[in-house]
Amino acid sequence: QKEVEQNSGPLSVPEGAIASLNCTYSDRVSQSFFWYRQYSGKSPELIMSIYSNGDKEDGRFTAQLNKASQYVSLLIRDSQPSDSATYLCAVRGDKIIFGKGTRLHILP
Amino acid sequence: DGGITQSPKYLFRKEGQNVTLSCEQNLNHDAMYWYRQDPGQGLRLIYYSQIVNDFQKGDIAEGYSVSREKKESFPLTVTSAQKNPTAFYLCASSPGRINYGYTFGSGTRLTVV
Repeated sequence: QKEVEQNSGPLSVPEGAIASLNCTYSDRVSQSFFWYRQYSGKSPELIMSIYSNGDKEDGRFTAQLNKASQYVSLLIRDSQPSDSATYLCAVRGDKIIFGKGTRLHILP
Repeated sequence: DGGITQSPKYLFRKEGQNVTLSCEQNLNHDAMYWYRQDPGQGLRLIYYSQIVNDFQKGDIAEGYSVSREKKESFPLTVTSAQKNPTAFYLCASSPGRINYGYTFGSGTRLTVV
C-alpha cells in the first residue's frame, strides 16, 4: 500500500517566523511531488511542485526534496495569519496519493 | 477563465434517494477524478477517468457511479447503496502527464437528512 505520511498537527508558529512542514512517502518510484493549501471549508489549492532533489523557491515558499530519504518538506518564511490552513502533501507515481494534511496555525 | 465548476455547492438528500453531482472543466484536461473528504480522513479516491468513455474504480467506489461521455464532464451519482454519503465531494482534473498536479473544483457539500 503506497502511503504519504504527515504529522496532523496543529503546528503553531508565531507570526513572522518560519513554518516547516514535513512529509514522507513509501513509493520509491514516485516522480512528482506537490504541496496543496486547503482553507477550512474550501477545496485544495496547488501552491508548489517539485520534481528533482534539492530546493525550489517561490516567493515565501520553499519546497525541499530528498528522494534518497523519501522526504519532502515545505518551508514558509515570514509566516502570516493568512497562512493558517491545512497543508496537503501529494506524491505522484501512476496517480497522485495525498497525505492527510498538517494543520498550521500562525499566532498573531 | 479556465477552471473546474462543481454544482451545486450544497446539496441535501433524503435517505433512499439517488443524487448526481456535476463536474465540468474547460481546461482541456484528459483526466478527471472524484474524491470524498471527511473530517480527519483526508482525501479518498472514488472514481477516476483518464479518457472519454473509460473510467476506473478508486479506493471507495461502492455506492457510487460515474460516466464520462464528454471530455469536459464527469458527473458522480451517489446512490442509495452508499451507507454514509454525508461528506465534502471534490472533483479534480489533470492533463494526465506525470509532472502535473491536479486542479480542484470548489466542492459540493452533501448532507443526508
